[in-house]
Amino acid sequence: EPEVTQTPSHQVTQMGQEVILRCVPISNHLYFYWYRQILGQKVEFLVSFYNNEISEKSEIFDDQFSVERPDGSNFTLKIRSTKLEDSAMYFCASRQTGSNEQFFGPGTRLTVL
Amino acid sequence: SQKIEQNSEALNIQEGKTATLTCNYTNYSPAYLQWYRQDPGRGPVFLLLIRENEKEKRKERLKVTFDTTLKQSLFHITASQPADSATYLCALVTGNQFYFGTGTSLTVIP
Repeated sequence: EPEVTQTPSHQVTQMGQEVILRCVPISNHLYFYWYRQILGQKVEFLVSFYNNEISEKSEIFDDQFSVERPDGSNFTLKIRSTKLEDSAMYFCASRQTGSNEQFFGPGTRLTVL
Repeated sequence: SQKIEQNSEALNIQEGKTATLTCNYTNYSPAYLQWYRQDPGRGPVFLLLIRENEKEKRKERLKVTFDTTLKQSLFHITASQPADSATYLCALVTGNQFYFGTGTSLTVIP
C-alpha cells in the first residue's frame, strides 16, 4: 500500500542552524501539507501546497519557514534559523484531488539544542 | 481562528461498551469535519469525514454525528476493543486549512 515517507526520523540541530525536513508524498497525490506537534500538544497546521505554490499557511509559518517541491517526488520544509521552540514532531501529509482523506507520514522529530 | 475542544483528555471504558468522544468548536462552521486516530509516536490516521449538511456517518463500528447548531461533533466506537486504545483527534476543515483539537486519549480496559 502506498504511503507517505519522511526523512530523517530524528534530526538534532543547534539553535540558529538551518534544517531541511524531507517528505515523499504518495505519487498520485497533488495536495501536500506540513504540520507540527509539540510534545504533548495538538497537531498544528503549518502550510498547504498545491500546483507548485502555497495555498494556505498559518500564523506559525513565518518568514523562517519555506516549502519547496524541488522535483517530481520530494516535498521539503526548510527552517532557516532554528529556535528552541521549533523542537517538535513535524508531519507531512498528502491527499488526492477529489478526496478529503489526508495520509500522514511517520513524522520527523526535530530537536533544537 | 477556530477554537476546538475535545472532551476530557483521557477516557477509560470497559471492553464491549460504547465510547463517545466529543468535539466542540467556536466561530464559524467548517465545510467538513474529520476524525483521526493517533498512536504514540505515529502520524494521525484518517477515520471518517462528515460534511456540514450531513447529520450522521457510519463506518463499521464507528459513527460520527455533526450538529452545526450546537457546534459539536460526537464520535462513537461501539463494541469497543482494547485495540481501539489510542488518541482520537477531530479536525475542522475550512478551505485548505485543517484545525486539529487536542485529542482524547481512549483506553479500553479488557
